[in-house]
Amino acid sequence: AQSVAQPEDQVNVAEGNPLTVKCTYSVSGNPYLFWYVQYPNRGLQFLLKYITGDNLVKGSYGFEAEFNKSQTSFHLKKPSALVSDSALYFCAVPVSGGYNKLIFGAGTRLAVHP
Amino acid sequence: EPEVTQTPSHQVTQMGQEVILRCVPISNHLYFYWYRQILGQKVEFLVSFYNNEISEKSEIFDDQFSVERPDGSNFTLKIRSTKLEDSAMYFCASRPQGARNQPQHFGDGTRLSIL
Repeated sequence: AQSVAQPEDQVNVAEGNPLTVKCTYSVSGNPYLFWYVQYPNRGLQFLLKYITGDNLVKGSYGFEAEFNKSQTSFHLKKPSALVSDSALYFCAVPVSGGYNKLIFGAGTRLAVHP
Repeated sequence: EPEVTQTPSHQVTQMGQEVILRCVPISNHLYFYWYRQILGQKVEFLVSFYNNEISEKSEIFDDQFSVERPDGSNFTLKIRSTKLEDSAMYFCASRPQGARNQPQHFGDGTRLSIL
């Protein structure tokens, strides 16, 4: 079965510092991987995806993610955090076959302090 | 940019009552989904819908749940006889035709509170 894991419930970072939100995956074959962000009282917004090719993927709002096949990881990164980045972040994998429902990680709450 | 819209944003219902949650997916999308998120927990898949029929459903999606696309634009989730444990945020999502690398687009959700 395909799954993703987010080992940290919460990440705290000071504004201006780099941030990393971790995700590991268990997927048979070549994985597709997504990151979504959820702001308070809002739905999930797509940030970026890995399909194939470059291991460093760039996405919205200055976020990027690094795919590492040997470590089965897809960590979300940003060089300089903003207070407005504070939100809930979800790693997700579309299940192959069928109609590609998304399997989500448990989510990581990012808190950026001024 | 086109958006998925959901109504109402908040629904309060007595236990045992029927509730219908409404969604308008993005117009050229062909795959539709419902997910739910119980407070403090992960987002869980409920059902997918394609070509006017359910394509996959989770074990959560029992006989109390149904989905419909009544008029080519709306996509509804009905819960026939609500239980306290149905209290959650319900998200609708849609996706265009194409490979599974196409991301799903989500609405802002309906917060369902069962009293």
